[in-house]
Amino acid sequence: AQSVAQPEDQVNVAEGNPLTVKCTYSVSGNPYLFWYVQYPNRGLQFLLKYITGDNLVKGSYGFEAEFNKSQTSFHLKKPSALVSDSALYFCAVRDMFSGGYQKVTFGTGTKLQVIP
Amino acid sequence: DTEVTQTPKHLVMGMTNKKSLKCEQHMGHRAMYWYKQKAKKPPELMFVYSYEKLSINESVPSRFSPECPNSSLLNLHLHALQPEDSALYLCASSQDPGEQFFGPGTRLTVL
Repeated sequence: AQSVAQPEDQVNVAEGNPLTVKCTYSVSGNPYLFWYVQYPNRGLQFLLKYITGDNLVKGSYGFEAEFNKSQTSFHLKKPSALVSDSALYFCAVRDMFSGGYQKVTFGTGTKLQVIP
Repeated sequence: DTEVTQTPKHLVMGMTNKKSLKCEQHMGHRAMYWYKQKAKKPPELMFVYSYEKLSINESVPSRFSPECPNSSLLNLHLHALQPEDSALYLCASSQDPGEQFFGPGTRLTVL
């Protein structure tokens, strides 16, 4: 089965500093990876995806993610954090097996706190 | 219109009540989903509809009954729920299975 792991429950970063939210994956075959963000009392919002191609993927709100096959990682990054980036971030992987091509498996989530 | 709407925003119900959650999308997406989310946890998939047919049921108790009347509308009928069913219920739609558009959710409290 496909899975993703987010090793950090919470990440704190000062406003204006670069941020990284970590994700590692375990898949059979080529990975289809995603990042979502959830603001308090809201649904999830799609940020970006990796399917194939460039290892650096650009997404919404200035976020990007770096796909690293050798390290099986897909870390979310932003050069300069904003207080408004404070939210819960989920890494996700598409399930391509067991007829479950429509399933997406989410990581446990990382709470990002940007400190003014 | 790139929005998924959900009603109601909040719902409080007793264990003997029957209620329904409603979800609507007008993006022409072929798949629609129901998720349950507890606080600070990832969404848990409940049901997937593809082309208006139920394609995935993640062993959800029968007190939750989904319905897809047409390609734009998804309902979740609730009956005889338990307090542990209290959660945020999220609806989503997609054309590409990975890139899902989520509604704001219904905050359900079961007394």
